[in-house]
Amino acid sequence: NAGVTQTPKFRVLKTGQSMTLLCAQDMNHEYMYWYRQDPGMGLRLIHYSVGEGTTAKGEVPDGYNVSRLKKQNFLLGLESAAPSQTSVYFCASRSTPGQRYEQYFGPGTRLTVT
Amino acid sequence: DAKTTQPPSMDCAEGRAANLPCNHSTISGNEYVYWYRQIHSQGPQYIIHGLKNNETNEMASLIITEDRKSSTLILPHATLRDTAVYYCIVRVGTASKLTFGTGTRLQVTL
Repeated sequence: NAGVTQTPKFRVLKTGQSMTLLCAQDMNHEYMYWYRQDPGMGLRLIHYSVGEGTTAKGEVPDGYNVSRLKKQNFLLGLESAAPSQTSVYFCASRSTPGQRYEQYFGPGTRLTVT
Repeated sequence: DAKTTQPPSMDCAEGRAANLPCNHSTISGNEYVYWYRQIHSQGPQYIIHGLKNNETNEMASLIITEDRKSSTLILPHATLRDTAVYYCIVRVGTASKLTFGTGTRLQVTL
């Protein structure tokens, strides 16, 4: 049981390049989330999904797209990277709504855009 | 979701109790208090949550005031491995999202 995994762990992009970050979970969770964390800041929600085939915007969605074609995977895409997207990206998942709201986080992807 | 206020940083000696306060004066009746922590460069980790009663688990205790306007996370015997940023989050019971603030950076020292 690997929990939540993220690929890649590190990436350097040039301005204007595109890339996709992959998040995978093996806990059969319905909900999945993408966050970004800038230095000295808390996490900010980019997009999230409440089930396979569904996605919704979070707090800072501009410049990102997501897809949830399979329940276990949640992809985050950057179509044209900008230096402002330099950040650490965390993926998380959780089971269906309940009182114990425990999100399980991946180890993060450190992205630098030059 | 209600806004929370936490001190930016705190220190604690190893072996002593760490008491981390959180103010959530605008909390409403159906909002829960959650605590997460983030150890350097890792993803956040769930610690504990509560609605109005005090709660305890293997990691920590959560004390919520009777008027629910503030709470305290207690790590009873802090160790160096408890050095982390601690986030207090208030969430409506049915909401699907969490909103992370900037948290309290706890430094545990020898």
